[in-house]
Amino acid sequence: GIQVEQSPPDLILQEGANSTLRCNFSDSVNNLQWFHQNPWGQLINLFYIPSGTKQNGRLSATTVATERYSLLYISSSQTTDSGVYFCAVERNYGQNFVFGPGTRLSVLP
Amino acid sequence: DTGVSQDPRHKITKRGQNVTFRCDPISEHNRLYWYRQTLGQGPEFLTYFQNEAQLEKSRLLSDRFSAERPKGSFSTLEIQRTEQGDSAMYLCASRRQGSTEAFFGQGTRLTVV
Repeated sequence: GIQVEQSPPDLILQEGANSTLRCNFSDSVNNLQWFHQNPWGQLINLFYIPSGTKQNGRLSATTVATERYSLLYISSSQTTDSGVYFCAVERNYGQNFVFGPGTRLSVLP
Repeated sequence: DTGVSQDPRHKITKRGQNVTFRCDPISEHNRLYWYRQTLGQGPEFLTYFQNEAQLEKSRLLSDRFSAERPKGSFSTLEIQRTEQGDSAMYLCASRRQGSTEAFFGQGTRLTVV
């Protein structure tokens, strides 16, 4: 099956710093989503981004489907950005997501 | 949309007991998914439904696990004869058929002692 890798596994930042999280996947996909899991376990949708670039406030994401990777950028980080960021892919719409292992982000005040 | 709702949020049970979790999807979402997440890992797919039909089951879903969605609305996940290795967060997600995004509930955290 498809494999998803994420890097770095852990990231510690001072408030206000910028960061880039990476997701590599082993095969072509029709769907890619980034999620943020908050300390209470809730998975929050950040981006649906199978290709191209999107921005939402301080967050933006880019997926280069031909090279099988996606990047999540967090600018001017805040303590509320702390948590685990997951990349999840689908080979075909409607099938199950395959999640990466996540990047655990800690933003210090 | 009121979001995907899961109940209970936390469950502590003794080894060997049966437990049942409930998931209420976003209304009009005909696809419903169950995932399991162990500590420090990403969620892993267990099974999914389209309306009341269970279309796919992961090899992770042993014969002690059963899921139902009898009327195509809410779903239940039952674990029989729980083992310590069943301790995990159980996540439910739903989506509208043809939609690109799935939405997750807050999960049920199971602890088997």
